[in-house]
Amino acid sequence: AQSVTQLDSQVPVFEEAPVELRCNYSSSVSVYLFWYVQYPNQGLQLLLKYLSGSTLVKGINGFEAEFNKSQTSFHLRKPSVHISDTAEYFCAVTERWGGADGLTFGKGTHLIIQP
Amino acid sequence: DGGITQSPKYLFRKEGQNVTLSCEQNLNHDAMYWYRQDPGQGLRLIYYSQIVNDFQKGDIAEGYSVSREKKESFPLTVTSAQKNPTAFYLCASSRDSKRELFFGEGSRLTVL
Repeated sequence: AQSVTQLDSQVPVFEEAPVELRCNYSSSVSVYLFWYVQYPNQGLQLLLKYLSGSTLVKGINGFEAEFNKSQTSFHLRKPSVHISDTAEYFCAVTERWGGADGLTFGKGTHLIIQP
Repeated sequence: DGGITQSPKYLFRKEGQNVTLSCEQNLNHDAMYWYRQDPGQGLRLIYYSQIVNDFQKGDIAEGYSVSREKKESFPLTVTSAQKNPTAFYLCASSRDSKRELFFGEGSRLTVL
């Protein structure tokens, strides 16, 4: 069964500093990968997705993520964060063929931007 | 605008009462999902439906029920059998089970 591990439950970062949010998944087959952002008391919004092709994926709000098949990772990065990036970030995975329907989510990482 | 509408946004109920949360989408998506979110636990799948008149249990279906009589609608009933119903509930839809999910704004249920 597929699973997702987000290694950090909270990441505090100073404004304008770079940030990396880590995500590892467990699956022995090809996968699709996603990052979502959630602002307080709101639903989740898609930041970016990896389906195939280039392993470096660019998303909205200046975020990007790199798919690393050998390390089964899909870390999210931003070179310079803004106070408005304070939110909960979720990594999700689904197997390309077969497996469970829908996405399996990690437990989330709370990004805290300090002025 | 296309999207997913959940209602109500906030709901208070007494213990022992059934509660129904509404979810409507106009994205023409076949698949719809209900997730429960608790602090520090991420999203847990309650029920999902790939097609009208069919649905499957997710990881935490006990104490919940759903129906899918129309493509656009996937209401969730939180029954009195659900031992700890206070949570944030998220509805989502997708074109198919291997695509990204589109989420509603959520419904926060508090049982007093």
